[in-house]
Amino acid sequence: ELKVEQNPLFLSMQEGKNYTIYCNYSTTSDRLYWYRQDPGKSLESLFVLLSNGAVKQEGRLMASLDTKARLSTLHITAAVHDLSATYFCAVNSGGSNYKLTFGKGTLLTVNP
Amino acid sequence: DTAVSQTPKYLVTQMGNDKSIKCEQNLGHDTMYWYKQDSKKFLKIMFSYNNKELIINETVPNRFSPKSPDKAHLNLHINSLELGDSAVYFCASSEYGSNEKLFFGSGTQLSVL
Repeated sequence: ELKVEQNPLFLSMQEGKNYTIYCNYSTTSDRLYWYRQDPGKSLESLFVLLSNGAVKQEGRLMASLDTKARLSTLHITAAVHDLSATYFCAVNSGGSNYKLTFGKGTLLTVNP
Repeated sequence: DTAVSQTPKYLVTQMGNDKSIKCEQNLGHDTMYWYKQDSKKFLKIMFSYNNKELIINETVPNRFSPKSPDKAHLNLHINSLELGDSAVYFCASSEYGSNEKLFFGSGTQLSVL
């Protein structure tokens, strides 16, 4: 059974600082996703990573994938308050089906 | 227009009742899903339909019955509601076999009293 572990689960950081969220998964997968969820809201797709070495960046967020290590990272650069949210990684174990297994989420709080 | 829409947004009901949640997507996708998010924010897939055919059915009590009248709609009917069914239920859609992202609806907060 595919297991997806995120750490840390809680992250409190100061504005302007950098930090990384880690996502480890237990079996081979062809797709890895990062989602953002604001309190009481839906999930917003941030990145889809498809191959080893893939790196994607959007604003202050950058995601990377190492399929050999079964590890993805979400790096936050110069955090701002607006980035406060819960971030989930999810790994596809269903082939052409989107049978996503989610990590437990990282609750990020950016303090002024 | 909302891409994936669910109704109702909130559902408060008594134990033992039967309720339904509706989902519609206007993205032209052929695959739709139900995910459950528990009180600890853990998300787990329940069902998936591709062109009205059930393709993923996780270990879910048979009180939960999805129905897909066409590929743009996927409804979730729950019989004999229990306290443990309280959660947020998200509908989602995608194009089968593509590498695109999964689009989620805004969620239905179900509270069973």
